[in-house]
Amino acid sequence: QVQLQESGPGLVKPSQTLSLTCAVSGGSISTGTYYWSWIRQHPGKGLEWIGYIYYTGRTQYNPSLKSRVAMSVDTSKNQFSLELSSVTAADTAVYYCARLPRYTGSPFDYWGQGTLVTVPA
Amino acid sequence: QSVLTQPPSVSAAPGQEVAISCSGSSSNIGITYVSWYQQLPGTAPKLLIYDNTKRPSGIPDRFSGSKSGTSATLGITGLQTGDEADYYCATWDISLSAGVFGGGTKLTVL
Repeated sequence: QVQLQESGPGLVKPSQTLSLTCAVSGGSISTGTYYWSWIRQHPGKGLEWIGYIYYTGRTQYNPSLKSRVAMSVDTSKNQFSLELSSVTAADTAVYYCARLPRYTGSPFDYWGQGTLVTVPA
Repeated sequence: QSVLTQPPSVSAAPGQEVAISCSGSSSNIGITYVSWYQQLPGTAPKLLIYDNTKRPSGIPDRFSGSKSGTSATLGITGLQTGDEADYYCATWDISLSAGVFGGGTKLTVL
């Protein structure tokens, strides 16, 4: 059973960079069959796709966040990471990592439990 | 404003059935698969339906999915109080080159 676990600071100051890591267990991040995604949910709101990364380092980002997002992968540690720069209070959200099979329209089949990141106003 | 449109809320009595719609366009639902997620309060979303109609192992057959043209529907029969949750549809949009979600539908089992 694949498990994903987010970790990182719960509080980030405005204008700084939010950094989160997702540790994957129960399966290798390097299988090549999956993309590894980040999704966020603003308080009381819906889900927003941030982007995904492949084990080779190839990325695809949401155009609305592309200028501030960077994802990386560490296959030796079986984990991937998210950096979101120049954060504001509007970036306060629960951030989820999730697995995405490699085909168009595929589902997010496994999710982490999510981590709340707060950016004070 | 979400790319995929869902009703904000639906309600029905225990034992009854409900349908939740998800409307998109020819650049998303019209050309690729739809998935559905259940989010219970305070928890992460859980995959309910993928590839329009398929259920992952462990999801009861009370949950079903369908797609027609640029719209998709999640059906739930034999409603239980434990089904009270937010439900989201999702797919890929080729024009945006992005994953997209519906705004979510809150199900109340009266």
